[in-house]
Amino acid sequence: EIVLTQSPATLSLSPGERATLSCRASQSVSSYLAWYQQKPGQAPRLLIYDAFNRATGIPARFSGSGSGTDFTLTISSLEPEDFAVYYCQQRNNWPPLITFGQGTRLEIK
Amino acid sequence: QVQLQESGPGLVKPSQTLSLTCTVSGGSTSSGGFYWSWIRQHPGKGLEWIGHISHSGSIYYSPSLKSRITIAVDTSKNQFSLKLSSVTAADTAVYYCARARGGSCGGDCYYYYGLNVWGQGTTVTVSS
Repeated sequence: EIVLTQSPATLSLSPGERATLSCRASQSVSSYLAWYQQKPGQAPRLLIYDAFNRATGIPARFSGSGSGTDFTLTISSLEPEDFAVYYCQQRNNWPPLITFGQGTRLEIK
Repeated sequence: QVQLQESGPGLVKPSQTLSLTCTVSGGSTSSGGFYWSWIRQHPGKGLEWIGHISHSGSIYYSPSLKSRITIAVDTSKNQFSLKLSSVTAADTAVYYCARARGGSCGGDCYYYYGLNVWGQGTTVTVSS
């Protein structure tokens, strides 16, 4: 089973700053990695799929990069609404099984 | 616009079977190109994928839960369901249904573009 490790566990930044979140896979997942944002009391929202493709309606300040085992979600300039928990998610080559990382909490400094 | 809504008992007794239904509106469970999925979130914890079913009926489960899960789709009602047997307190969680764009490209090949539609989640507590 592929394990995803996210770092840091908590990231404290101010609005306007740049956020860099990391997700590392225990073995290569090619580019099959997605990112989600979850705010308290809400369902997660898909931000990025296949490592760098923004989902519909996601602002351009969100970008994804990486391949193989190391991936990054970058938020270029934090807006107040961006403070939330972020999860990465991978899918197996075969069979189609899914796993999530443990999450990174992005909090206001 | 596709919307998903979970329904089912909020309280289940230990050793019993948890049964949830997800009703799909604005779309069809018989449409190709999607995985109809269940995910749960323990209190204060991260997301755990439970399993998913394609429109063609291919079903895949989390290895850690596989022995206790049944996921099915009822296209006549435009719903899909989750049954989790022999529940314990460790199954207390918020349960989400969701839809991922994806499907087979033949043989051991599939595409998967992430869970882009989610229900609001339903809290299930396992307690006597």
